[in-house]
Amino acid sequence: DAGVTQSPTHLIKTRGQQVTLRCSPKSGHDTVSWYQQALGQGPQFIFQYYEEEERQRGNFPDRFSGHQFPNYSSELNVNALLLGDSALYLCASNPAGTLNSPLHFGNGTRLTVT
Amino acid sequence: GQQVMQIPQYQHVQEGEDFTTYCNSSTTLSNIQWYKQRPGGHPVFLIQLVKSGEVKKQKRLTFQFGEAKKNSSLHITATQTTDVGTYFCAGPGTNAGKSTFGDGTTLTVKP
Repeated sequence: DAGVTQSPTHLIKTRGQQVTLRCSPKSGHDTVSWYQQALGQGPQFIFQYYEEEERQRGNFPDRFSGHQFPNYSSELNVNALLLGDSALYLCASNPAGTLNSPLHFGNGTRLTVT
Repeated sequence: GQQVMQIPQYQHVQEGEDFTTYCNSSTTLSNIQWYKQRPGGHPVFLIQLVKSGEVKKQKRLTFQFGEAKKNSSLHITATQTTDVGTYFCAGPGTNAGKSTFGDGTTLTVKP
């Protein structure tokens, strides 16, 4: 039973560039959430996708966008990268219709912006 | 918006000593979750508390939810080197997924 998988593991980009991160949820899960974790801080909610639509969004600018595919996998896109976007990006999945169910996290993508 | 604060930020203990981390929310929580993140790893769910005053145990770990459902604690008895990592509490959003995490307590254990 595969858990949450994310790719790539590490990524180095230059300021101003664009990046796409990918996530496949745990088998049986159809809701995907994205979090940004800066060094020394807790994960910060970016947005959540369910039924291929963005359902909720945290306090992140429009440079952060996403997509969910019919197979429930998801992408996180960040445009016009800033140095402050350097962080660990975590994808978490959970089954829909289960209020406050535990989040299952992937190993994350470490993004470095230079 | 909801804020979740944790103290202390860091805790260094000798193996065998006890450890406690505290979590406080600015609002009443319907439930609280605890996660552990090993160095270089990702958060892993430990437990969820739902009821006021609830106490749950997992071997050497004891979790408590405050009577007012605005605070929680995690206590580890007789720490081991395998306990190292950062412990996060998280309050729920309007539905599962949009959780508000504290900044965690990082535990180091000296053998």
